[in-house]
Amino acid sequence: NAGVTQTPKFQVLKTGQSMTLQCAQDMNHNSMYWYRQDPGMGLRLIYYSASEGTTDKGEVPNGYNVSRLNKREFSLRLESAAPSQTSVYFCASRNPGHLSSYEQYFGPGTRLTVT
Amino acid sequence: EDQVTQSPEALRLQEGESSSLNCSYTVSGLRGLFWYRQDPGKGPEFLFTLYSAGEEKEKERLKATLTKKESFLHITAPKPEDSATYLCAVQKNSGGYQKVTFGIGTKLQVIP
Repeated sequence: NAGVTQTPKFQVLKTGQSMTLQCAQDMNHNSMYWYRQDPGMGLRLIYYSASEGTTDKGEVPNGYNVSRLNKREFSLRLESAAPSQTSVYFCASRNPGHLSSYEQYFGPGTRLTVT
Repeated sequence: EDQVTQSPEALRLQEGESSSLNCSYTVSGLRGLFWYRQDPGKGPEFLFTLYSAGEEKEKERLKATLTKKESFLHITAPKPEDSATYLCAVQKNSGGYQKVTFGIGTKLQVIP
């Protein structure tokens, strides 16, 4: 049981390049999330998927797109990277159908630098 | 606007020196308050969920408590391996939108 996995662990991009961050979970969770974490700021929600086949914007969606490929996988795409997108990206999942448990489980993160 | 404020920002303790971390929050309709531990270079690791004022939960040297305005994470006789950043987060009772608001965290260092 690996929990939540993310690839790649590190990435350096040049301004204008594109890339996709991959996330997979093996806990059979319905909901999946993408966050970014920046120094001096709390985790901020980029996009989420409440269930397979649905996606919605979070607090900071501009410059990103997502795909919920199936119940296990949720990818985040940067179409044209900007230096402001330099951050650590975390994927998380949870099962909101389980009434006594709302906590999210996080992956190890992707450290992205855009030059 | 939902807010989560954690204090102190950083805390340095001697091994065995007990202390508390604070998380004060303003949210309309609290559904749950979460505590996470985050080690350098890693993702947050879930510790506790608290749902209502007066609730307490314990895990090893950690004990989390909740009031209507704040939560405390008490650390009893800490060890160096407790060194980490502790994050607090709240989820509001907002129907379909699953917004969780995170604090910036308290960076704890336990010195042998």
